[in-house]
Amino acid sequence: KAGVTQTPRYLIKTRGQQVTLSCSPISGHRSVSWYQQTPGQGLQFLFEYFSETQRNKGNFPGRFSGRQFSNSRSEMNVSTLELGDSALYLCASSPKPRETNEKLFFGSGTQLSVL
Amino acid sequence: GEDVEQSLFLSVREGDSSVINCTYTDSSSTYLYWYKQEPGAGLQLLTYIFSNMDMKQDQRLTVLLNKKDKHLSLRIADTQTGDSAIYFCAESNNDMRFGAGTRLTVKP
Repeated sequence: KAGVTQTPRYLIKTRGQQVTLSCSPISGHRSVSWYQQTPGQGLQFLFEYFSETQRNKGNFPGRFSGRQFSNSRSEMNVSTLELGDSALYLCASSPKPRETNEKLFFGSGTQLSVL
Repeated sequence: GEDVEQSLFLSVREGDSSVINCTYTDSSSTYLYWYKQEPGAGLQLLTYIFSNMDMKQDQRLTVLLNKKDKHLSLRIADTQTGDSAIYFCAESNNDMRFGAGTRLTVKP
């Protein structure tokens, strides 16, 4: 079975731009969660999607949004980029929603640099 | 809020045992996990333990859980240079919370 795939692997953007990141979960997994990882803050939960519906949202501004498609693939969008948005964005999938305590399987992440 | 705490750094010599410690605050956590992150990669699930267990062994890995003290540890026997990575502890009870990660450096 293929693992969680995230594209692109690296992105360089400038302040004020917007960016879209993509995540393809493991086949059969319907839950996709997004995390932001920075050296100072560790792993911060952004949001979770299950069956095309956002189930949970972390404490991030409205500039961070996402969606999930009928094939469970998910995209995350960040608008009006700020320098502080530079981070590794990780996607994780699981068969069921996070609240069922399912194990999470992570992709390799998208490294976003905002200049 | 609930916190998961880990020491940030650990350095050991190749062949020694490594012990990475973690404390958590949610006594109702159902599962506790250890993830490994190598440079430039995502998090890889190493092992997990259910909260009604106090020990789990998987090859070179031993997980110990002290539920009374809310303390979790990961012991890596015969540590190798390939074990150098960041190790994250995580607790789960209707939500998953991660520690900040412990950077393990293995010296030859």
